[in-house]
Amino acid sequence: AQSVTQLGSHVSVSEGALVLLRCNYSSSVPPYLFWYVQYPNQGLQLLLKYTTGATLVKGINGFEAEFKKSETSFHLTKPSAHMSDAAEYFCAVSDSNYQLIWGAGTKLIIKP
Amino acid sequence: NAGVTQTPKFRILKIGQSMTLQCAQDMNHNYMYWYRQDPGMGLKLIYYSVGAGITDKGEVPNGYNVSRSTTEDFPLRLELAAPSQTSVYFCASRSEQGGNQPQHFGDGTRLSIL
Repeated sequence: AQSVTQLGSHVSVSEGALVLLRCNYSSSVPPYLFWYVQYPNQGLQLLLKYTTGATLVKGINGFEAEFKKSETSFHLTKPSAHMSDAAEYFCAVSDSNYQLIWGAGTKLIIKP
Repeated sequence: NAGVTQTPKFRILKIGQSMTLQCAQDMNHNYMYWYRQDPGMGLKLIYYSVGAGITDKGEVPNGYNVSRSTTEDFPLRLELAAPSQTSVYFCASRSEQGGNQPQHFGDGTRLSIL
């Protein structure tokens, strides 16, 4: 069965520093992988997705993620954090029935 | 574009009461989903639908019911509210063309059972 593990329920970085949010997955089929962002009191919004092809995927707001099959990872990065990036981030993998299996989420805290 | 619209945004229920959470989408998506979100737990799938008249259970269906009479609407019914159903509920939809299509979310309904 598919599963998603997000390392760290909270990640704190200084404004301007590198953001790295970790996601590891298990999947018995070639995975479709997603990162979503949730701002306070809002729904989830797609940041980026990996389906096939290029393993480095660029998303909105300067975020990108790299699919590494050998490491079963799909970590999310941003070179320079902004205060507006403070939110909760969710990684998800699509299973063989195209349902999404979700990680528990990581809250990103930006220190001024 | 309205996208996915959920009503109400907030609700407080007493134990044993019933209510329906409404969800409507205007993107002509066949696939629709209901999730609950509890702190630190990610999203859990309650029910889903692949088209009008077709629904199926997700991971945590107990205590809930759904119907799908139209493509646009996918209401979620709580029959006998229990404190364990205090949560944030999200409705989502996606087009049917394969697992690489993202889900689109509403803003959620925050439900407290007291």
